[in-house]
Amino acid sequence: KAGVTQTPRYLIKTRGQQVTLSCSPISGHRSVSWYQQTPGQGLQFLFEYFSETQRNKGNFPGRFSGRQFSNSRSEMNVSTLELGDSALYLCASSLGAAGFSYNEQFFGPGTRLTVL
Amino acid sequence: KQEVTQIPAALSVPEGENLVLNCSFTDSAIYNLQWFRQDPGKGLTSLLLIQSSQREQTSGRLNASLDKSSGRSTLYIAASQPGDSATYLCAVRWQGNFGNEKLTFGTGTRLTIIP
Repeated sequence: KAGVTQTPRYLIKTRGQQVTLSCSPISGHRSVSWYQQTPGQGLQFLFEYFSETQRNKGNFPGRFSGRQFSNSRSEMNVSTLELGDSALYLCASSLGAAGFSYNEQFFGPGTRLTVL
Repeated sequence: KQEVTQIPAALSVPEGENLVLNCSFTDSAIYNLQWFRQDPGKGLTSLLLIQSSQREQTSGRLNASLDKSSGRSTLYIAASQPGDSATYLCAVRWQGNFGNEKLTFGTGTRLTIIP
C-alpha cells in the first residue's frame, strides 16, 4: 500500500510570491491534515480536511489556505510569502471518522519551502 | 487547552541500553496518543498508537504505556541500537472547545545512541 506522497519535495520562492503544495493520502483515507514545522515553533497544525470540507483550523493567517478534492487529494496554498514561512510542511492522512480512538495519522515526507 | 510536554529534550545513551522517553499531557479527555519518530529533515514515522481505552501497546523492541489519570505516557525502547537515533514525538488527539478533534504534539526528545 503506497504511503502519503507530497509534491514537490523542495521549493525555493521569493517574498511576495505564492506557492501551492500537494498531498496525496493513503488510499481509502478521507482526512488530510497539514502542519508547519520550524526549529523555533515545532510542529504547528494548519488545517484538516475531511470529505472536501475543512473540519478544523489552526491559528494561521488567511494567507494560508487549502482545499480537498473528491479523490481526497489535498492542496495547500500560501499567498504573499514572507521569510518566516520558510519551513517543512507536512501532510498527514487518516481514515478520518471523528470520535474514533483508532484514528492513526500517517505522515508524508514533507515539502521543504525556502523563502528568499 | 491541551499542553503536551516531553522531557528530556535530548538524551544520549550507549548502544544496548534500555531507555524510557516521557510524555505528559494536561487534559486527560483524549481519544488516543501516538508516538512518532522523525529523522533529520524527514517526515514523521508512526511507531505506536494507544487508544484511550488501552494501557499499553507493543511493537518489536518498543513498548508504549498510557496512564490517562496522571496524564502520562512512556515509550520504552529495549536494547537500543544506533539506528534508533532520531527525534521522538508524542501527539495527543483530543476534543477541542467547539467539538473539533485536535492533535497536539510535544516538542520531542532527540535521542542519540552511542555505538
